[in-house]
Amino acid sequence: GQQVMQIPQYQHVQEGEDFTTYCNSSTTLSNIQWYKQRPGGHPVFLIQLVKSGEVKKQKRLTFQFGEAKKNSSLHITATQTTDVGTYFCAGRRGSGGSNYKLTFGKGTLLTVNP
Amino acid sequence: GAVVSQHPSWVICKSGTSVKIECRSLDFQATTMFWYRQFPKQSLMLMATSNEGSKATYEQGVEKDKFLINHASLTLSTLTVTSAHPEDSSFYICSARDLLYGQSYEQYFGPGTRLTVT
Repeated sequence: GQQVMQIPQYQHVQEGEDFTTYCNSSTTLSNIQWYKQRPGGHPVFLIQLVKSGEVKKQKRLTFQFGEAKKNSSLHITATQTTDVGTYFCAGRRGSGGSNYKLTFGKGTLLTVNP
Repeated sequence: GAVVSQHPSWVICKSGTSVKIECRSLDFQATTMFWYRQFPKQSLMLMATSNEGSKATYEQGVEKDKFLINHASLTLSTLTVTSAHPEDSSFYICSARDLLYGQSYEQYFGPGTRLTVT
């Protein structure tokens, strides 16, 4: 079945340092989504990437979707303590239909030292 | 908008009993809801896809008779853990898609239900 690998599993940074998490799928994806889960909370949607080579930015966050639509990355510039949490990528294979099943990566837990 | 609630937020039950968890989309209609299970510091594992008015689609390895799913309306799906055992203790999260926005793939997650079976 489809597998979505995410690295690193943990990342600890000093406030102000950059952070990147990478996501790789064993199969080509129709789109990839990113979620953030704060400690003790539930996943919150951040963004969706659909097009090959797509790059989207949200303030200090930059999301990329690979040309082959099998990998993606999330980069945070100048981390802040509010960035703490687990970042999940979630891939969807195929398009159309009513089944929008997502396969989640294991997530990257980011901790920030103030 | 796009709020999903879950009830209860936490529950403790004795081994052998059944527990029902509700997932509601508060301000939108959801033909499809998803049930996930999350172990501590682990990823979200999709258990089943709940379709309004039809049977749920279970992922491989998930027991249909143990995890009963009912999606009776466009705003409510329930997960019943039958004959619960300590190994069923976990964080159960539901998510839903907004029916009105067909192009929206965003899943809105509920706050989760922490189940502890003693």
